[in-house]
Amino acid sequence: AQSVAQPEDQVNVAEGNPLTVKCTYSVSGNPYLFWYVQYPNRGLQFLLKYITGDNLVKGSYGFEAEFNKSQTSFHLKKPSALVSDSALYFCAVRESYNTDKLIFGTGTRLQVFP
Amino acid sequence: EPEVTQTPSHQVTQMGQEVILRCVPISNHLYFYWYRQILGQKVEFLVSFYNNEISEKSEIFDDQFSVERPDGSNFTLKIRSTKLEDSAMYFCASSQGSLSGYTFGSGTRLTVV
Repeated sequence: AQSVAQPEDQVNVAEGNPLTVKCTYSVSGNPYLFWYVQYPNRGLQFLLKYITGDNLVKGSYGFEAEFNKSQTSFHLKKPSALVSDSALYFCAVRESYNTDKLIFGTGTRLQVFP
Repeated sequence: EPEVTQTPSHQVTQMGQEVILRCVPISNHLYFYWYRQILGQKVEFLVSFYNNEISEKSEIFDDQFSVERPDGSNFTLKIRSTKLEDSAMYFCASSQGSLSGYTFGSGTRLTVV
C-alpha cells in the first residue's frame, strides 16, 4: 500500500540557516511526489512536484526538493530560511497515472526563529 | 491569484442531520476533489470528480456521501446523515490536469454534536 512518512513533527531552524524537512515514501509503482504548505487558517498551498526528469525540482518561495529513488525520499530544502516560512508542511505521493488519489504525510511544523 | 473558495468556514450540525459543504473551484480547472482531515490526523482523500462524474472514491466515501457540480461553477459535498465521526476539516481542491498540483480551499470545519 502507498504511504508517506514525515518522521519529524517539528523542525526548528534559525533565520538565514538552511532548512530540511524530511519525507520518505512507499509505493509499488513510479511515484509522483508533492509538497504542500499550510499557513494558519488557510488551505494547502502547492509548493512543488516531482513527476519525472531531474531529481532536483525547484518550487515556489525558493524551496526545492530532491527525489532519491534508492532511499525512497523526497526531502524539502531551502538554502536560507525566513521567519515567514514558519508553517505546516505536508508531503504527498500519488502512486501512478491511474489514480487521482494523493496520500499525505502527517505534516511537519517548521518554526523559523529570528 | 485564483483561489478555491469554500463556504461555510465552520458548520455545526446535529447528528443525523444532512449537511452540504460548498466549494467554488478555479474556473478553468477540470478536476475536482474533496479531502478531509480529522483533528490531529492525516489529510485523507475522499473523492475525485472529472467530466461530471466521480472518477475515484475512497472507502470513507460511502453511501452517506455524494458530490455534485450543479451549475458548472459550484462543487458540493453532501453528507446525508451525519455521524459524530464525520467531524473534521473538509478541503475542496481543483486542478487543471491530473498531474498538476492541486489548489486547495481553506476548508470547512464540520462539527457534529
